[in-house]
Amino acid sequence: GQSLEQPSEVTAVEGAIVQINCTYQTSGFYGLSWYQQHDGGAPTFLSYNALDGLEETGRFSSFLSRSDSYGYLLLQELQMKDSASYFCAVRDRDSGNTPLVFGKGTRLSVIA
Amino acid sequence: DTEVTQTPKHLVMGMTNKKSLKCEQHMGHRAMYWYKQKAKKPPELMFVYSYEKLSINESVPSRFSPECPNSSLLNLHLHALQPEDSALYLCASSQGLAASSYEQYFGPGTRLTVT
Repeated sequence: GQSLEQPSEVTAVEGAIVQINCTYQTSGFYGLSWYQQHDGGAPTFLSYNALDGLEETGRFSSFLSRSDSYGYLLLQELQMKDSASYFCAVRDRDSGNTPLVFGKGTRLSVIA
Repeated sequence: DTEVTQTPKHLVMGMTNKKSLKCEQHMGHRAMYWYKQKAKKPPELMFVYSYEKLSINESVPSRFSPECPNSSLLNLHLHALQPEDSALYLCASSQGLAASSYEQYFGPGTRLTVT
């Protein structure tokens, strides 16, 4: 099976930088995805890392270290609209039938 | 068009009712998913269709019955639900089931309340 750990809540100031960590335990790791979900909305795909390193997409970046079973989502120049829940999710060769397993989510609150 | 649509947006049903949720995508995706999401929880996979065939059923009670009439449509038939089934039901799609399941496109969901 798999397990993912991410903080349940993070608070940051508008304009600042915040990092949301995700550690995972899987037996056949393929890659790590990140999704954003605003209250009342649908999850939206942000990024995917299959290889070690940093992937940058505008204000958002995602990092993966396969050797440490660890990744993070970095949000820069925070805006109020970034207040949302952020889920990491793993693709795992040995996840049985489940193609993507979600972490419990991190609720980010951006304050003025 | 990168949109997944779902109808209805809201649904209130009694425990003896039969209703259906509908999902549609026109991105040519060959994998479609049903998820259930409770408040402040992650999406919980229910069913997966790949090339219009049921690929995964995550031990979901038989009161939930999925159907994939064609490659663009996905239905979820509901019958004799329980109040604990009240949740947000999300439909999603991806290009395929294996290599591309990491990027799923979600619909806005149906907020279901069972009374």
